[in-house]
Amino acid sequence: DGGITQSPKYLFRKEGQNVTLSCEQNLNHDAMYWYRQDPGQGLRLIYYSQIVNDFQKGDIAEGYSVSREKKESFPLTVTSAQKNPTAFYLCASSIEGTGPNSPLHFGNGTRLTVT
Amino acid sequence: QKEVEQNSGPLSVPEGAIASLNCTYSDRVSQSFFWYRQYSGKSPELIMSIYSNGDKEDGRFTAQLNKASQYVSLLIRDSQPSDSATYLCAVKSGGSYIPTFGRGTSLIVHP
Repeated sequence: DGGITQSPKYLFRKEGQNVTLSCEQNLNHDAMYWYRQDPGQGLRLIYYSQIVNDFQKGDIAEGYSVSREKKESFPLTVTSAQKNPTAFYLCASSIEGTGPNSPLHFGNGTRLTVT
Repeated sequence: QKEVEQNSGPLSVPEGAIASLNCTYSDRVSQSFFWYRQYSGKSPELIMSIYSNGDKEDGRFTAQLNKASQYVSLLIRDSQPSDSATYLCAVKSGGSYIPTFGRGTSLIVHP
């Protein structure tokens, strides 16, 4: 079955450590996205990528980094510079890049806790 | 700054009733509108998309779009306890077409 796989489901880290969240899709979608969700909040865009080897900052990119070396993969690194990293992280993809009629499909999310 | 506004709720309705969820948006050139359902602790899943003014029905769900008034709504007929979730409205506008999400409305359907 096609889909988006995020791993791990839960991640615990000590403050000051970098951590990388995995996102893999086998939907052959062009565009991929990373969102962050805090309790009672909507989804806030961290980074997005329309094609391989290209990505753009979203609204809250500070303290995060990404790469898009393969169409299927879009890992997110949460660096020690991110002041409040504890959150629910969602990876998504869409078939038409950023076309107007293309909905997002989400992975199951990674819940990151930093203490 | 593009804004998408939703009443956070919770909206509480009895089983079998119609639940009405509303969303307003600020960008007049918005073109595409999506409703997602998110159960607690889970990721959002797409319920409906709508692109033209009017109603679009899919089973118990109806999306309504009024571009002149800049609102989109989701009606859930014959509400079931399993519909209890947070409903997110997402809007795509011209330019980058990156969707902007509202904060979501919490729906509680009680037996």
